[in-house]
Amino acid sequence: EADIYQTPRYLVIGTGKKITLECSQTMGHDKMYWYQQDPGMELHLIHYSYGVNSTEKGDLSSESTVSRIRTEHFPLTLESARPSHTSQYLCASSRDYNSPLHFGNGTRLTVT
Amino acid sequence: AQSVSQHNHHVILSEAASLELGCNYSYGGTVNLFWYVQYPGQHLQLLLKYFSGDPLVKGIKGFEAEFIKSKFSFNLRKPSVQWSDTAEYFCAVNARGGGADGLTFGKGTHLIIQP
Repeated sequence: EADIYQTPRYLVIGTGKKITLECSQTMGHDKMYWYQQDPGMELHLIHYSYGVNSTEKGDLSSESTVSRIRTEHFPLTLESARPSHTSQYLCASSRDYNSPLHFGNGTRLTVT
Repeated sequence: AQSVSQHNHHVILSEAASLELGCNYSYGGTVNLFWYVQYPGQHLQLLLKYFSGDPLVKGIKGFEAEFIKSKFSFNLRKPSVQWSDTAEYFCAVNARGGGADGLTFGKGTHLIIQP
Protein backbone atom coordinates (compact mmCIF):
# COMPACT_ATOMS: atom_id res chain seq x y z
CA GLU A 1 0.00 0.00 0.00
CA ALA A 2 1.35 3.39 -1.02
CA ASP A 3 2.42 5.91 1.62
CA ILE A 4 2.16 8.67 -0.93
CA TYR A 5 -1.26 10.01 -1.77
CA GLN A 6 -2.52 11.85 -4.79
CA THR A 7 -5.87 13.54 -5.24
CA PRO A 8 -7.97 13.63 -7.25
CA ARG A 9 -7.58 10.24 -8.93
CA TYR A 10 -9.44 11.45 -12.05
CA LEU A 11 -10.23 15.01 -13.15
CA VAL A 12 -12.10 16.34 -16.16
CA ILE A 13 -12.12 20.11 -16.53
CA GLY A 14 -12.69 22.75 -19.17
CA THR A 15 -10.07 24.85 -20.90
CA GLY A 16 -8.87 27.87 -18.99
CA LYS A 17 -9.59 26.54 -15.51
CA LYS A 18 -7.02 26.69 -12.73
CA ILE A 19 -6.33 23.37 -11.07
CA THR A 20 -4.13 22.02 -8.31
CA LEU A 21 -3.10 18.40 -8.10
CA GLU A 22 -2.38 17.32 -4.55
CA CYS A 23 0.44 15.06 -3.41
CA SER A 24 1.28 14.13 0.17
CA GLN A 25 3.64 11.59 1.69
CA THR A 26 3.88 10.33 5.26
CA MET A 27 7.42 8.93 5.10
CA GLY A 28 9.31 12.13 5.90
CA HIS A 29 11.16 12.02 2.57
CA ASP A 30 13.00 15.18 1.57
CA LYS A 31 13.01 14.44 -2.14
CA MET A 32 9.78 14.64 -4.11
CA TYR A 33 9.06 14.51 -7.83
CA TRP A 34 6.33 15.04 -10.42
CA TYR A 35 6.31 12.94 -13.58
CA GLN A 36 4.09 13.18 -16.64
CA GLN A 37 3.17 9.98 -18.44
CA ASP A 38 1.26 9.45 -21.67
CA PRO A 39 0.06 5.95 -22.73
CA GLY A 40 2.86 3.88 -24.22
CA MET A 41 5.45 6.51 -23.42
CA GLU A 42 8.17 6.86 -20.84
CA LEU A 43 7.77 8.87 -17.66
CA HIS A 44 9.06 12.42 -18.00
CA LEU A 45 10.25 14.39 -14.99
CA ILE A 46 8.59 17.81 -14.90
CA HIS A 47 9.41 19.06 -11.37
CA TYR A 48 11.41 18.00 -8.34
CA SER A 49 12.25 19.19 -4.87
CA TYR A 50 15.10 18.44 -2.49
CA GLY A 51 13.29 19.76 0.54
CA VAL A 52 11.24 22.62 1.94
CA ASN A 53 11.43 25.77 -0.21
CA SER A 54 13.37 23.89 -2.90
CA THR A 55 11.83 23.42 -6.35
CA GLU A 56 13.45 22.71 -9.70
CA LYS A 57 12.22 22.12 -13.24
CA GLY A 58 12.78 18.71 -14.76
CA ASP A 59 13.69 17.48 -18.23
CA LEU A 60 10.30 18.07 -19.79
CA SER A 61 9.18 21.64 -20.17
CA SER A 62 5.91 22.18 -18.38
CA GLU A 63 3.59 25.12 -17.88
CA SER A 64 2.79 23.91 -14.40
CA THR A 65 4.27 25.20 -11.15
CA VAL A 66 4.96 23.53 -7.82
CA SER A 67 5.53 24.57 -4.23
CA ARG A 68 7.12 22.90 -1.21
CA ILE A 69 6.09 24.71 1.94
CA ARG A 70 5.94 21.54 4.05
CA THR A 71 8.03 18.40 3.78
CA GLU A 72 5.03 16.16 3.29
CA HIS A 73 3.18 18.23 0.70
CA PHE A 74 4.14 18.92 -2.95
CA PRO A 75 1.18 20.30 -4.93
CA LEU A 76 1.27 20.95 -8.68
CA THR A 77 -0.74 23.85 -10.16
CA LEU A 78 -1.86 24.66 -13.68
CA GLU A 79 -2.98 28.29 -13.87
CA SER A 80 -4.90 27.86 -17.11
CA ALA A 81 -5.49 24.30 -18.29
CA ARG A 82 -5.39 23.43 -21.98
CA PRO A 83 -6.20 20.23 -23.90
CA SER A 84 -2.44 19.69 -24.38
CA HIS A 85 -2.21 19.20 -20.59
CA THR A 86 -4.30 16.04 -20.82
CA SER A 87 -2.10 13.33 -19.36
CA GLN A 88 -1.40 11.25 -16.28
CA TYR A 89 0.57 12.97 -13.53
CA LEU A 90 2.55 10.83 -11.09
CA CYS A 91 3.99 12.05 -7.80
CA ALA A 92 6.93 10.25 -6.16
CA SER A 93 9.28 10.60 -3.23
CA SER A 94 12.57 9.10 -2.08
CA ARG A 95 14.66 9.08 1.07
CA ASP A 96 17.92 9.93 -0.68
CA TYR A 97 19.64 9.82 -4.05
CA ASN A 98 20.21 6.09 -4.14
CA SER A 99 16.89 5.04 -2.66
CA PRO A 100 14.09 3.81 -4.90
CA LEU A 101 11.14 6.01 -5.70
CA HIS A 102 7.78 5.57 -3.97
CA PHE A 103 4.96 6.48 -6.32
CA GLY A 104 1.41 7.62 -5.75
CA ASN A 105 -1.52 6.24 -7.75
CA GLY A 106 -1.45 9.18 -10.13
CA THR A 107 -3.98 11.76 -11.32
CA ARG A 108 -5.45 11.25 -14.74
CA LEU A 109 -6.28 14.72 -16.08
CA THR A 110 -8.50 15.41 -19.07
CA VAL A 111 -8.91 18.97 -20.31
CA THR A 112 -11.82 19.48 -22.67
CA ALA B 1 22.50 12.32 -21.39
CA GLN B 2 21.38 8.78 -20.81
CA SER B 3 18.60 6.94 -22.65
CA VAL B 4 16.77 3.67 -22.08
CA SER B 5 15.37 1.34 -24.71
CA GLN B 6 12.86 -1.40 -23.98
CA HIS B 7 12.60 -3.65 -27.00
CA ASN B 8 9.09 -5.00 -26.61
CA HIS B 9 6.13 -2.72 -26.01
CA HIS B 10 3.63 -5.57 -25.76
CA VAL B 11 4.29 -9.16 -24.73
CA ILE B 12 1.67 -11.90 -24.45
CA LEU B 13 2.57 -15.20 -22.77
CA SER B 14 0.79 -18.22 -21.38
CA GLU B 15 1.06 -19.17 -17.74
CA ALA B 16 4.22 -21.14 -16.87
CA ALA B 17 6.11 -19.72 -19.85
CA SER B 18 9.52 -18.20 -19.28
CA LEU B 19 9.90 -14.44 -19.52
CA GLU B 20 12.69 -12.16 -20.62
CA LEU B 21 12.14 -8.44 -21.12
CA GLY B 22 14.95 -6.55 -22.77
CA CYS B 23 16.40 -3.28 -21.54
CA ASN B 24 19.38 -1.45 -22.99
CA TYR B 25 20.73 1.88 -21.87
CA SER B 26 23.17 4.38 -23.25
CA TYR B 27 25.50 6.13 -20.85
CA GLY B 28 29.26 6.21 -20.73
CA GLY B 29 29.71 6.18 -16.98
CA THR B 30 28.74 4.06 -13.99
CA VAL B 31 25.02 3.59 -13.54
CA ASN B 32 22.32 2.48 -11.14
CA LEU B 33 19.66 0.30 -12.78
CA PHE B 34 16.04 -0.34 -11.80
CA TRP B 35 12.97 -2.25 -12.87
CA TYR B 36 9.62 -0.86 -11.74
CA VAL B 37 6.25 -2.59 -12.16
CA GLN B 38 2.72 -1.26 -12.27
CA TYR B 39 -0.05 -3.77 -11.72
CA PRO B 40 -3.52 -2.87 -13.05
CA GLY B 41 -5.08 -0.15 -10.92
CA GLN B 42 -2.04 0.13 -8.64
CA HIS B 43 0.87 2.52 -8.23
CA LEU B 44 4.33 2.01 -9.71
CA GLN B 45 6.56 0.03 -7.37
CA LEU B 46 10.14 -1.15 -7.33
CA LEU B 47 10.70 -4.68 -8.61
CA LEU B 48 14.49 -4.80 -8.23
CA LYS B 49 17.61 -2.65 -8.45
CA TYR B 50 21.30 -2.91 -9.21
CA PHE B 51 23.88 -0.58 -7.73
CA SER B 52 27.06 -2.66 -7.54
CA GLY B 53 28.35 -6.15 -6.73
CA ASP B 54 26.81 -9.33 -8.09
CA PRO B 55 25.43 -8.46 -11.54
CA LEU B 56 22.60 -10.95 -11.07
CA VAL B 57 20.02 -9.36 -8.79
CA LYS B 58 16.89 -10.91 -7.41
CA GLY B 59 13.69 -9.01 -6.77
CA ILE B 60 10.21 -9.64 -5.50
CA LYS B 61 7.87 -12.34 -6.82
CA GLY B 62 10.60 -14.50 -8.35
CA PHE B 63 11.94 -11.89 -10.77
CA GLU B 64 15.63 -11.44 -11.45
CA ALA B 65 17.72 -9.25 -13.73
CA GLU B 66 21.27 -9.49 -15.01
CA PHE B 67 23.49 -6.49 -15.59
CA ILE B 68 25.83 -7.08 -18.53
CA LYS B 69 28.12 -4.08 -18.67
CA SER B 70 29.64 -4.93 -22.05
CA LYS B 71 26.20 -5.01 -23.62
CA PHE B 72 24.77 -2.06 -21.68
CA SER B 73 21.87 -4.34 -20.82
CA PHE B 74 19.73 -5.08 -17.77
CA ASN B 75 17.22 -7.69 -18.90
CA LEU B 76 14.43 -8.85 -16.62
CA ARG B 77 13.69 -12.58 -16.32
CA LYS B 78 11.30 -14.97 -14.64
CA PRO B 79 11.43 -18.74 -15.21
CA SER B 80 7.68 -19.34 -14.96
CA VAL B 81 5.15 -16.53 -15.15
CA GLN B 82 1.76 -16.41 -13.47
CA TRP B 83 -1.47 -14.70 -14.43
CA SER B 84 -0.85 -12.20 -11.62
CA ASP B 85 2.31 -10.99 -13.40
CA THR B 86 0.14 -9.13 -15.90
CA ALA B 87 1.38 -5.55 -15.57
CA GLU B 88 3.39 -2.72 -17.12
CA TYR B 89 7.15 -3.02 -16.59
CA PHE B 90 9.53 -0.06 -16.75
CA CYS B 91 13.31 -0.12 -16.89
CA ALA B 92 15.12 2.95 -15.51
CA VAL B 93 18.69 4.15 -15.16
CA ASN B 94 20.55 6.98 -13.47
CA ALA B 95 24.17 7.95 -13.25
CA ARG B 96 25.94 6.57 -10.16
CA GLY B 97 25.65 9.16 -7.41
CA GLY B 98 22.91 10.92 -9.27
CA GLY B 99 19.49 11.24 -7.77
CA ALA B 100 16.09 10.59 -9.17
CA ASP B 101 16.30 13.99 -10.87
CA GLY B 102 18.59 12.13 -13.26
CA LEU B 103 16.45 8.97 -13.53
CA THR B 104 15.59 8.07 -17.12
CA PHE B 105 12.75 5.64 -17.82
CA GLY B 106 12.08 3.43 -20.81
CA LYS B 107 8.70 3.47 -22.54
CA GLY B 108 7.54 0.37 -20.71
CA THR B 109 6.50 -3.14 -21.69
CA HIS B 110 2.89 -4.18 -21.30
CA LEU B 111 2.91 -7.85 -20.28
CA ILE B 112 -0.25 -9.93 -20.54
CA ILE B 113 -0.32 -13.45 -19.12
CA GLN B 114 -3.07 -15.66 -20.46
CA PRO B 115 -4.44 -18.36 -18.13
